[in-house]
This record gives sequence, structure tokens and C-alpha cells, in this order.
Amino acid sequence: DAGITQSPRHKVTETGTPVTLRCHQTENHRYMYWYRQDPGHGLRLIHYSYGVKDTDKGEVSDGYSVSRSKTEDFLLTLESATSSQTSVYFCAISELRISSYNEQFFGPGTRLTVL
Amino acid sequence: GQQVMQIPQYQHVQEGEDFTTYCNSSTTLSNIQWYKQRPGGHPVFLIQLVKSGEVKKQKRLTFQFGEAKKNSSLHITATQTTDVGTYFCAGKTPPGNTGFQKLVFGTGTRLLVSP
Repeated sequence: DAGITQSPRHKVTETGTPVTLRCHQTENHRYMYWYRQDPGHGLRLIHYSYGVKDTDKGEVSDGYSVSRSKTEDFLLTLESATSSQTSVYFCAISELRISSYNEQFFGPGTRLTVL
Repeated sequence: GQQVMQIPQYQHVQEGEDFTTYCNSSTTLSNIQWYKQRPGGHPVFLIQLVKSGEVKKQKRLTFQFGEAKKNSSLHITATQTTDVGTYFCAGKTPPGNTGFQKLVFGTGTRLLVSP
């Protein structure tokens, strides 16, 4: 497995509180992503990063912000958590190489419950 | 926005039976990737298809990319209990302003195999 860790792995929080999830990689990949996974919706992209301090929105970015101050770390913040943000969050990384498929490698996931 | 749908959402088969999942995009794809997620795990890359009409095989798994590059399928011959999991297709979007191509994941097909 690629060197990707996510913390925390599980979190229970209350509506209205801020939450930050961390993704850490040791692969020196340029691209990093945050997805959420919900039944019936597959994986939906929240935000992605194409370099240090370079980020862009995905399809479900409302209520989320991200930051990437170092190549290895990508943080996802829920500014004011709501019950609709209860989900499993996956971080992924990828790199552009001519000789590869440029596939994404996923972290183990964080299960977030907002009460 | 671009949508990628998969059918069926769920299939339960007896070990030894065949299984097929179908992936359909609302727009033409530059290429398509397939991922497998074991229960409680994270998505893992299986394969990428690029050419119109392309067929690739991995042991009992056969992947096809449609002639119009808007649909794809994954067929598993003689399923085994180790095939249990959710299978996702993911299509690459046209490059945006950053030149970067995002993956749009399908809704997934959950496969259950009974011994």
C-alpha cells in the first residue's frame, strides 16, 4: 500500500463544531484529493490540490475548506459541522507520469459522525 | 456536471456464477479506471482503459470500454468469495484551466458472493 495515513480514523462530534481531518503522505505525490463516500453516491470529490498552496473545488465543496502548506499534508476542515456531513472521508494521492496509469492511491479513511 | 452511473447497485451471486457491472457516462470519457473496495477497506486501483473498444483481462476479470467511450463494463467469470466488495468505475474529465483531469467516480456496484 502507498504511504498514506489519515487522522483521526474515527471521530464523533456535535453539530456546529469545527472539525479538521488530516491526510499525510510519504510518496511525494503532487496531487492530493479529499472524497466523501455515502451509500448510493459512490465517491464524491470535495476538494483537490495540484501543488503546495494550490487547491481547487470538487463537486461537493460547500461547507468544506482545505489547506496544503507542505507536499505531504492535506487538511480538510468542516467549518461548522452538520449532520449531513456524517460520512466516510477518504484522502487520495496521485502523480503524473508518462509510464504509469496515474491512478489514485487511497488512504484508510476517516469515519465522521456529526450528532 | 458530468455523471457516471453504475448498474446494478447490488448483486448477490452464488460462488461459481458470473457477474457483470455496467458503467455509463453522460459525456465522452478520455479514459476509464476501475477500482475495488473490500468491505471496511479503501478503493484499490484495478485497471485503466484508454482506447475505444478496448478489452483487457486480468485472470477471471474482463474489462471493456465502449466504442463511443461513454460506457464500460466489468465481467467476472466464476466468482469466488474473494471477489466480494464494491466495484467502482471512474472516468477522467476533460482538462480544466489547470490542465488537470479529475476522476468522476461511478455510484458503485456491491457484490456479495455466497459459498
